[in-house]
Amino acid sequence: GQQVMQIPQYQHVQEGEDFTTYCNSSTTLSNIQWYKQRPGGHPVFLIQLVKSGEVKKQKRLTFQFGEAKKNSSLHITATQTTDVGTYFCAGGHNTDKLIFGTGTRLQVFP
Amino acid sequence: ETGVTQTPRHLVMGMTNKKSLKCEQHLGHNAMYWYKQSAKKPLELMFVYSLEERVENNSVPSRFSPECPNSSHLFLHLHTLQPEDSALYLCASSQTGGSRTEAFFGQGTRLTVV
Repeated sequence: GQQVMQIPQYQHVQEGEDFTTYCNSSTTLSNIQWYKQRPGGHPVFLIQLVKSGEVKKQKRLTFQFGEAKKNSSLHITATQTTDVGTYFCAGGHNTDKLIFGTGTRLQVFP
Repeated sequence: ETGVTQTPRHLVMGMTNKKSLKCEQHLGHNAMYWYKQSAKKPLELMFVYSLEERVENNSVPSRFSPECPNSSHLFLHLHTLQPEDSALYLCASSQTGGSRTEAFFGQGTRLTVV
């Protein structure tokens, strides 16, 4: 079946360090979305990528969609304590439905 | 506040009880979703409604029964649940169905089955 895996499962960083989470799909994706879920909260949409090789930036966050449209990454530069949470990618299949990834839980120590 | 409201926020029920989860969206969206989030699994899509018609049912046990009376409201009726059904149940809506529209999530119902 269609699966979307994320690595790492957990990441602990010191404030100011960089962080990257990787998303890999078993099948080619039509699009990919990224969500952030704060502890005790609900997923909140961050961004969507559609084109092969696309790169988008939001302040300290850089999102990338692979050339083959089977993988994606989220990179945070100089993490802050407000970045704490679980980051999910969600892959679109045939523009029909989203399959959420397993998530990466980020902990930032001050 | 996301525009998607879920009630109750917390629910404890016995295995023989019948209860319902409610979701309401104030965004004018046409698609609504139920997701299950448990500690050891990613977000699992349970049901999708588009224009009040069920378009997706991801092999969910029949003890979960969805209802979508109109495009703003979505229910999940629960009966004879099992302890492994304890999880956070999230409702979401989007402008249209499909994977290219942003999903807006409610705050979820934390369900505990005892």
